[in-house]
Amino acid sequence: AQSVAQPEDQVNVAEGNPLTVKCTYSVSGNPYLFWYVQYPNRGLQFLLKYITGDNLVKGSYGFEAEFNKSQTSFHLKKPSALVSDSALYFCAVRDPSDMNYGGSQGNLIFGKGTKLSVKP
Amino acid sequence: DAGITQSPRHKVTETGTPVTLRCHQTENHRYMYWYRQDPGHGLRLIHYSYGVKDTDKGEVSDGYSVSRSKTEDFLLTLESATSSQTSVYFCAISEGGRGGTEAFFGQGTRLTVV
Repeated sequence: AQSVAQPEDQVNVAEGNPLTVKCTYSVSGNPYLFWYVQYPNRGLQFLLKYITGDNLVKGSYGFEAEFNKSQTSFHLKKPSALVSDSALYFCAVRDPSDMNYGGSQGNLIFGKGTKLSVKP
Repeated sequence: DAGITQSPRHKVTETGTPVTLRCHQTENHRYMYWYRQDPGHGLRLIHYSYGVKDTDKGEVSDGYSVSRSKTEDFLLTLESATSSQTSVYFCAISEGGRGGTEAFFGQGTRLTVV
């Protein structure tokens, strides 16, 4: 069964420093991977995704993520953190071999989330 | 928030009463989803729909039912609310099909069962 893990409940970073939010996954096929961000009292916002091709994916708000097949990881990164980046971040995976009744390639499975705190 | 409206945004209800949450989309997307968000659990899929009158169970479907009579509306019903169903509920939509399609989320409904 597919799964995704975010090993850190919280990540603390000083403003201006690089940040990394970790994500590892387990699927039977080649994965589709996603990152979402949730600000307080809001829904989840899509940041970026990996489908195939270049292992470094660039997304919204200066975020990027690196897909590493051998380590089954998809870590979210940003070269210089902002206080406004403080939020809850979710990694999600879809297993293309897991077909659902609608004929689409599986449903999104989410990690438990990582709270990012960026201090001035 | 990608043309998704959830109603109500907040609700307090008593144990044992039925509750219906509504999700309305203006994007004409085929797939609609209901998730619940709880601390320490992230988001867990309750039910999803892949077309009008076509629905299926997710990971945590016990105690919940859904209906989709129109493309734009997806209703989640708690048949007899319990305190364990106190949560934040999110509706999501996607065009579906290819696995690389992202989902878009509504702003959530905070439900408290007392």
